[in-house]
Amino acid sequence: GENVEQHPSTLSVQEGDSAVIKCTYSDSASNYFPWYKQELGKRPQLIIDIRSNVGEKKDQRIAVTLNKTAKHFSLHITETQPEDSAVYFCAASTFGNEKLTFGTGTRLTIIP
Amino acid sequence: NAGVTQTPKFQVLKTGQSMTLQCAQDMNHNSMYWYRQDPGMGLRLIYYSASEGTTDKGEVPNGYNVSRLNKREFSLRLESAAPSQTSVYFCATNRQGANEKLFFGSGTQLSVL
Repeated sequence: GENVEQHPSTLSVQEGDSAVIKCTYSDSASNYFPWYKQELGKRPQLIIDIRSNVGEKKDQRIAVTLNKTAKHFSLHITETQPEDSAVYFCAASTFGNEKLTFGTGTRLTIIP
Repeated sequence: NAGVTQTPKFQVLKTGQSMTLQCAQDMNHNSMYWYRQDPGMGLRLIYYSASEGTTDKGEVPNGYNVSRLNKREFSLRLESAAPSQTSVYFCATNRQGANEKLFFGSGTQLSVL
């Protein structure tokens, strides 16, 4: 089955700086890569996703890049703000498969 | 329009007790999922239901059973709770399949003593 590794497990950045979280996956057939944000005590919520026919996708201050050859994808957050503090999960799945495999999460802390 | 509703929010059990976690959605979604979340281990799939009348095992099904009662409801049962099942449980739904946005319930914090 699919295996998703996520790094780092914790990340602290100064407010206004950029944050990068990286994930690798094992199944070369995977073609859908979402990112979920979970604030303390809350439910996970989708913030951005990318499909394998696209190399990069942006939504305001967040972006995701995908390198299918190397089987890794990354989340980039620019101009970080205190409300970006949360746990971020990457995930991967294959079209037609019901199983979405999550990474182990990154706790991002924004230092004011 | 409540979205995905999970009950209860908190539960404490003794080893060997049983309980059922309830999940209901009013989004007319076909697929429903149960995940457990443990520190440092992310979200792991327990069981899922691709459509009404079907259920399948996920990554960590041992010790659990599920029922897709109808299109709206998907329950998770612990027949004989063990301390290793102490976790936060999330129900999630989407229109169809793992390649679409998941909508999560608010979670159930379960402690087994």
